[in-house]
Amino acid sequence: GENVEQHPSTLSVQEGDSAVIKCTYSDSASNYFPWYKQELGKGPQLIIDIRSNVGEKKDQRIAVTLNKTAKHFSLHITETQPEDSAVYFCAASPTNTGNQFYFGTGTSLTVIP
Amino acid sequence: DADVTQTPRNRITKTGKRIMLECSQTKGHDRMYWYRQDPGLGLQLIYYSFDVKDINKGEISDGYSVSRQAQAKFSLSLESAIPNQTALYFCATSAGNEQFFGPGTRLTVL
Repeated sequence: GENVEQHPSTLSVQEGDSAVIKCTYSDSASNYFPWYKQELGKGPQLIIDIRSNVGEKKDQRIAVTLNKTAKHFSLHITETQPEDSAVYFCAASPTNTGNQFYFGTGTSLTVIP
Repeated sequence: DADVTQTPRNRITKTGKRIMLECSQTKGHDRMYWYRQDPGLGLQLIYYSFDVKDINKGEISDGYSVSRQAQAKFSLSLESAIPNQTALYFCATSAGNEQFFGPGTRLTVL
């Protein structure tokens, strides 16, 4: 089955700096890659996603890049703010699993004011 | 009101007890999922259901069972709870690619 690895496990940045979280996947059949943000005491919430036919997608301060050849994708947050502090999860969904997601182990991001 | 609700939000039980976690959704989605979250391990899929008559095992189904009582309800049962089932449990729904998560149930097995 699919195996998703995520790095780093913890990340601290100064407010205003950029944060980058990286994930790799193993199954070349994966074609959908969402990123979820989990705030304390809440369930994960989708913040951005990308499909395998696109190399990059941006939504305001958040962007995701995908390299299908290397099987890795990354989340980029620019101009970080304290409210960006949370745990971030990447995931991969292979085409033949009916929307089954395989999650990374999470990155705890702390933005220092 | 929240689109995906879970009850109870917190539960402490003893080894060997049977326990049921319930999930309800008002989004009208056919697909529902149960995940387990452990520190440092991310989210692992326990069971998923694509409609009332379709139930599938996920990565870590041993020791768990589910029931899809209606499109809107999906319950997770631990027939005989053990301490290593102590975790945070999430229910999710989807109609397309995006999954919508409930607030979670924190289960402690003593």
